[in-house]
Amino acid sequence: LAKTTQPISMDSYEGQEVNITCSHNNIATNDYITWYQQFPSQGPRFIIQGYKTKVTNEVASLFIPADRKSSTLSLPRVSLSDTAVYYCLVGRSYGGSQGNLIFGKGTKLSVKP
Amino acid sequence: IAGITQAPTSQILAAGRRMTLRCTQDMRHNAMYWYRQDLGLGLRLIHYSNTAGTTGKGEVPDGYSVSRANTDDFPLTLASAVPSQTSVYFCASSRLAGVNEQFFGPGTRLTVL
Repeated sequence: LAKTTQPISMDSYEGQEVNITCSHNNIATNDYITWYQQFPSQGPRFIIQGYKTKVTNEVASLFIPADRKSSTLSLPRVSLSDTAVYYCLVGRSYGGSQGNLIFGKGTKLSVKP
Repeated sequence: IAGITQAPTSQILAAGRRMTLRCTQDMRHNAMYWYRQDLGLGLRLIHYSNTAGTTGKGEVPDGYSVSRANTDDFPLTLASAVPSQTSVYFCASSRLAGVNEQFFGPGTRLTVL
């Protein structure tokens, strides 16, 4: 099973770009990398998913190097409302055993004014 | 659009009592999941269901049981609650089994005394 390692916490200021890196050395060929955001007292919310290279949506970008042993979530110009815990998840997409889905322990991002 | 609902919102339970956490989704998603979230441990998968009529064990299934009689409902039962089951429980669903884009409910905060 592909476990993940993330920094426990990060601090940033409004307007800055934030990059959160996740290590997943044992990622399998069929695994995708997915990131979630969680605010206090709420369930996690899907942000972005990718398999290789770069994926971008209206919220974030996801950078995945060729060896896929790590990934970086990039949040452009963060605001106070981006203060949350960010989870890196590695698992199969579209098929496969659900038992392979493992959340990391998350990175608590604090954005200051 | 409700998405996923969970009940109760919170519950205090005496050890040894039986408790069922309810989860209902109205998105006609095939797959559903139960997670528990504890401080410092992130989210851990308890049980999952790829489709109505099937269930499977996740990372921490001991002490819990689930059923999936229809597409919409996925109850989680603690047959005899113990204090170590004090946690926040999240139900989630995805369109297909193995899809990493999951939609989470608001959670149930359970305290076992």
